[in-house]
Order: sequence, then structure tokens, then C-alpha cells
Amino acid sequence: GAGVSQSPSNKVTEKGKDVELRCDPISGHTALYWYRQRLGQGLEFLIYFQGNSAPDKSGLPSDRFSAERTGESVSTLTIQRTQQEDSAVYLCASRLPGTSGNTDTQYFGPGTRLTVL
Amino acid sequence: AQSVSQHNHHVILSEAASLELGCNYSYGGTVNLFWYVQYPGQHLQLLLKYFSGDPLVKGIKGFEAEFIKSKFSFNLRKPSVQWSDTAEYFCAVNLGAGNNRKLIWGLGTSLAVNP
Repeated sequence: GAGVSQSPSNKVTEKGKDVELRCDPISGHTALYWYRQRLGQGLEFLIYFQGNSAPDKSGLPSDRFSAERTGESVSTLTIQRTQQEDSAVYLCASRLPGTSGNTDTQYFGPGTRLTVL
Repeated sequence: AQSVSQHNHHVILSEAASLELGCNYSYGGTVNLFWYVQYPGQHLQLLLKYFSGDPLVKGIKGFEAEFIKSKFSFNLRKPSVQWSDTAEYFCAVNLGAGNNRKLIWGLGTSLAVNP
């Protein structure tokens, strides 16, 4: 596809259940990011994948959160034992490899709105 | 800790008014600076960015931003706003070298333009 896609677009779950969110980056984009955006707040970095390097997990808020990425394609963000404070929009972004200025632009997906009841 | 501050959380303007949204960051090293915009119901998208060279950068839809290193600022401007500029605007700063480039984000400014 032409852009970053995410699924599902909306997810309502009960407290304590596990959820899995999916991100399909733009083809050829080796870098992939997950962010969380709570209502009325800015973007909160969660995790970053770059090619075959070890992911930067420094933004994950607790051990209930984990993410995987298959090669340089799909990524899944898993939240175990969801809590009400996990309710937010989860955004995925991808970008081209390299360090030059033109490759630093991140391209965002539409997000997954997670509601934990 | 590094941070990005956007001074205005909510701005309401009439069409044709001039716009300036403030953005300051706290980091003494080399930075790359971005403004992203999120129109209602749409994805976050890049508005403009600064990496090097001319500190006055032009973006889409008539927006521009000026990097003032001495003030650690990267304010967004538009001389005459339109109703279609109603959106959420985010300033972001890119720290770090190599491929591990994490953006530090401001909290965003909600702009409402009245027709």
C-alpha cells in the first residue's frame, strides 16, 4: 500500500484482557515506531525498531507491553492484562533507513483507538 | 531531561488572521526540528522540517518556521490562516546520532479557525 496501515482502527476490550495491535509500514521503511497518544496529550514514544538491530524499548510503560516485528515488515504491539489507563490512540510510524535529513521524516498510520472498559 | 514546550494549547482565530505557534526545546546539541499537523479525522503528517542551512524553512500550505538557535525556538507561522487550517499542530525535536532517532514531542496546539 501507499501508506502505513494499522488494524484494527478501533478496539474495545474489558479490563484484564490482552489485545494485539498491528502495523504495516511502508514498503522499504526499515525503521518503525510505536507511540501512544492519550486524550489531550502529546505523543509518547513506546518502542523503535531499526532493521535487524535490537529494538529500543525504553518507552514501554510496563512489562505488560511488548512488541514484535517480523523482519522489516509487520509489527504487532501486545498489551497484556489491559488496564483502563491503557485507553489511548496507538500510533505507528515508519521511515526510510539512513541518517540523512531526507530520511528522517516519519510517516504515520491512522492509529488504533483502544478503549478499556 | 530533553523536552519540547508548546506554549499555546488552544488557539482560536478568524480567517485571514496571522498565526504564530511557539515551540521551544531544551537540548544543547545538534537538533533536527519538525512540525507535524493532524487535520480532523486524518493521519499525522509532516508540515515542515529543519535540518541545516537556511533557518527559515517553508512548508506546505503557506506555513513557515524559523529556527533561532540562540533562543532554542522553532516557531510556526502563517501570515493569513484559512478555515481549512483548523487542526492539531505538534512540534517535535530529533535527538541522537545514527539511525536511532527518537522524536521528542510537544503536547500539541489545537487551532480553530472561524470562517
